[in-house]
Amino acid sequence: AQTVTQSQPEMSVQEAETVTLSCTYDTSESDYYLFWYKQPPSRQMILVIRQEAYKQQNATENRFSVNFQKAAKSFSLKISDSQLGDAAMYFCAYRGTPSGTYKYIFGTGTRLKVLA
Amino acid sequence: DAMVIQNPRYQVTQFGKPVTLSCSQTLNHNVMYWYQQKSSQAPKLLFHYYDKDFNNEADTPDNFQSRRPNTSFCFLDIRSPGLGDAAMYLCATSSLDREDSPLHFGNGTRLTVT
Repeated sequence: AQTVTQSQPEMSVQEAETVTLSCTYDTSESDYYLFWYKQPPSRQMILVIRQEAYKQQNATENRFSVNFQKAAKSFSLKISDSQLGDAAMYFCAYRGTPSGTYKYIFGTGTRLKVLA
Repeated sequence: DAMVIQNPRYQVTQFGKPVTLSCSQTLNHNVMYWYQQKSSQAPKLLFHYYDKDFNNEADTPDNFQSRRPNTSFCFLDIRSPGLGDAAMYLCATSSLDREDSPLHFGNGTRLTVT
């Protein structure tokens, strides 16, 4: 069975600085998708960024980028130029390729605090 | 805008009194999910529908039921809520017509059991 591990329950970053959130996963599949979700306090969970395992190039969305290391089964999220609005819980998620696999497996989350 | 809508946003029920949470979507996605999320924890999948095909997680209590009468709507019924069922309940959708489809979440319903 697949598992997703986020080893940092909480992280802090100074406004305008860069922070990296860690995520590791375990799977025997060769093709899959990885996601980072952001959940602000009392607000909707939204997609931050996604990565397809067969794509070697790391995904980037504005200030958010990932460091995807397939062999190490690592999928970290880098937030550059951190802003106060980035404060939230961040969840890493895994989904296998279809053919019966519709489930997304979540890590336990990292709470990011942004200090003014 | 296409979206996932959950009602109500906050629900208070009494111990043992049945409660129904609702979810609707305008995304026309074929998969709908119900997650339970307790404070500062990962969302826990309760069940999901692929079209009308219902899939229950092995550890979902029998106390939790679901209905999906059509593509747009999905309901979560808690037959006899206990204090341990107090949580945020998240509805989400995805489209398997597109392999990299992420989950699209509603705002959630926060359930309080008194």
